[in-house]
Amino acid sequence: DIQMTQSPSSLSASIGDRVTITCRASQSIGRDLNWYQQKPGKGPNLLIYTASNLQFGVPPRFSGSGSGTYFTLTISSLQPEDFATYYCQQSFGSLTFGGGTRVEMK
Amino acid sequence: QVHLQESGPGLVKASETLSLTCTVSGGSISNYYWSWIRQPPEKGLEWIGYIHSSGSANYNPSLKSRATLSIDTSTSQFSLRLSSVTAADTAMYYCARVSTTVGANHYFDYWGQGILVTVSS
Repeated sequence: DIQMTQSPSSLSASIGDRVTITCRASQSIGRDLNWYQQKPGKGPNLLIYTASNLQFGVPPRFSGSGSGTYFTLTISSLQPEDFATYYCQQSFGSLTFGGGTRVEMK
Repeated sequence: QVHLQESGPGLVKASETLSLTCTVSGGSISNYYWSWIRQPPEKGLEWIGYIHSSGSANYNPSLKSRATLSIDTSTSQFSLRLSSVTAADTAMYYCARVSTTVGANHYFDYWGQGILVTVSS
């Protein structure tokens, strides 16, 4: 299995902050990397697909980049509704998710 | 807007078989892959498998021996059966639609609200 490692596992930030979450793959996965946001009690919501493509309806403050083994999700200016847990997911091999990054209010 | 709804028993006895159904509405079930993903309490996400409307399926190797997916396009439903369950199978189970890119990236663009299944001893 391809292992996906997210960092940090949690972070504290303030409204307006620029936030970056990283996701590393145990082997090269090209650009087969997707990002999701999950709020408590809800199913995940797709934010970014194929490393950098913004899903329809997702605010442009979210962006993704990377290829190979290193990927990032950036929130350019954190909003109150962005406090949530974020997951990366690869589909190069058998589908696997990262362990998640919890974004909390400072 | 595609809508997915999970249904099934919320309590299953250990060693028995977990059975869940996902009903798709607001869009066609045809020509897509459909998936099950689970999330144990306070833990991360685990992909179980996906099935195409044609009936071909692909499974997480760690669950392949116990999981079976099926699909009924006439009722716009697909199902999961997970045999010989243990307490480790206690989780929120989500169904989701799988979309793919030309480069074969698979991602989950519509999700159900989830159903909590508890395995009791």
